[in-house]
Amino acid sequence: GEDVEQSLFLSVREGDSSVINCTYTDSSSTYLYWYKQEPGAGLQLLTYIFSNMDMKQDQRLTVLLNKKDKHLSLRIADTQTGDSAIYFCAEGSTGNQFYFGTGTSLTVIP
Amino acid sequence: NAGVTQTPKFRILKIGQSMTLQCTQDMNHNYMYWYRQDPGMGLKLIYYSVGAGITDKGEVPNGYNVSRSTTEDFPLRLELAAPSQTSVYFCASTPGGRSSTDTQYFGPGTRLTVL
Repeated sequence: GEDVEQSLFLSVREGDSSVINCTYTDSSSTYLYWYKQEPGAGLQLLTYIFSNMDMKQDQRLTVLLNKKDKHLSLRIADTQTGDSAIYFCAEGSTGNQFYFGTGTSLTVIP
Repeated sequence: NAGVTQTPKFRILKIGQSMTLQCTQDMNHNYMYWYRQDPGMGLKLIYYSVGAGITDKGEVPNGYNVSRSTTEDFPLRLELAAPSQTSVYFCASTPGGRSSTDTQYFGPGTRLTVL
């Protein structure tokens, strides 16, 4: 399968910005996704970006894509305690499969 | 719409026992998926289906079987449970034909422990 990598943990103070990073290997990916998983729940799509874009903004969320380096990041502005969760990046690859990263556990300190 | 539902939420099995994890979606989605989630390992695809009667292996299919007799249901079968199958299992579905814009809708998960 394709490799999608993320760091496992991130802690930030409430009100600061969070930046979660992801690297992937499949250069043919068309879309890249960010999902959020709250404790005991399934994954919910936060946002996605088309591979020919380099930035997408959606309220407090900013996605940056560096296709040359195969690097994706999610920035959460004004991080709140309700943002504490695990964040997964994923890429839609060939065939019908999606490949997920290991997830980054974000802890927001009040 | 209930979306994607999974049963049971929790289960403890003994080594060698069998069980079926149920997954149902009421969104008339063609594509359905089974993933397992292990700590620090992300989600790994077990099996997927592109429509009723069609299934295919994902990254980690060994020890599992699936069937897709209807559009709505995609059960996952463990025949001889092993401790290595202790995990959280997620079912997901996507709407229509293959497109990378299709977002996956996830069920709440089944937490399985094999002792």
